[in-house]
Amino acid sequence: ELKVEQNPLFLSMQEGKNYTIYCNYSTTSDRLYWYRQDPGKSLESLFVLLSNGAVKQEGRLMASLDTKARLSTLHITAAVHDLSATYFCAVAGGGADGLTFGKGTHLIIQP
Amino acid sequence: NAGVTQTPKFQVLKTGQSMTLQCAQDMNHNSMYWYRQDPGMGLRLIYYSASEGTTDKGEVPNGYNVSRLNKREFSLRLESAAPSQTSVYFCASSERQGGGTNEKLFFGSGTQLSVL
Repeated sequence: ELKVEQNPLFLSMQEGKNYTIYCNYSTTSDRLYWYRQDPGKSLESLFVLLSNGAVKQEGRLMASLDTKARLSTLHITAAVHDLSATYFCAVAGGGADGLTFGKGTHLIIQP
Repeated sequence: NAGVTQTPKFQVLKTGQSMTLQCAQDMNHNSMYWYRQDPGMGLRLIYYSASEGTTDKGEVPNGYNVSRLNKREFSLRLESAAPSQTSVYFCASSERQGGGTNEKLFFGSGTQLSVL
């Protein structure tokens, strides 16, 4: 059974700081996805990582994938308030269709 | 281009009542999914349909049924609602690129369901 663990689950940080969210998964997969969810809203795709060593960047967010370590990171650089949201990683595989999601990281960025 | 459309957005049911959540996508995607989201639990897969005419159970299928009516539509039915089914339900679809493995999901706006 594929398990996906994110940490931290809750993060409060100040604007201008850097931080990293970690996503570990339990079985072999080379396909990992990051999503953002604002309160009361749907999920918005951020990054699609489809190979070992993949790195994607969009603005102040950068995601990477290490399939050997079964680890993905979402790095936030010089955080701004608009990045406050819940971030989910999701992994493909595990013997079933669809994606298996982590529990999400609730990120609050304070001025 | 509407993407994935879900109805209704909100619903309150009494225990034992039945209802169907509707989902339609206009992106010509083969695969469609129903997830539920509960606080602190992330999203959990209820059922999915890899193509028209096929459906399969996900992680938490008990108490639900689905129908893949055609390529566009995938409905979720609660036959006898229970308080444990209080949740936010998301429909999603994905594109399979020529046998490739990009399962990027496109989500609907969600249905907030309360069962009293």
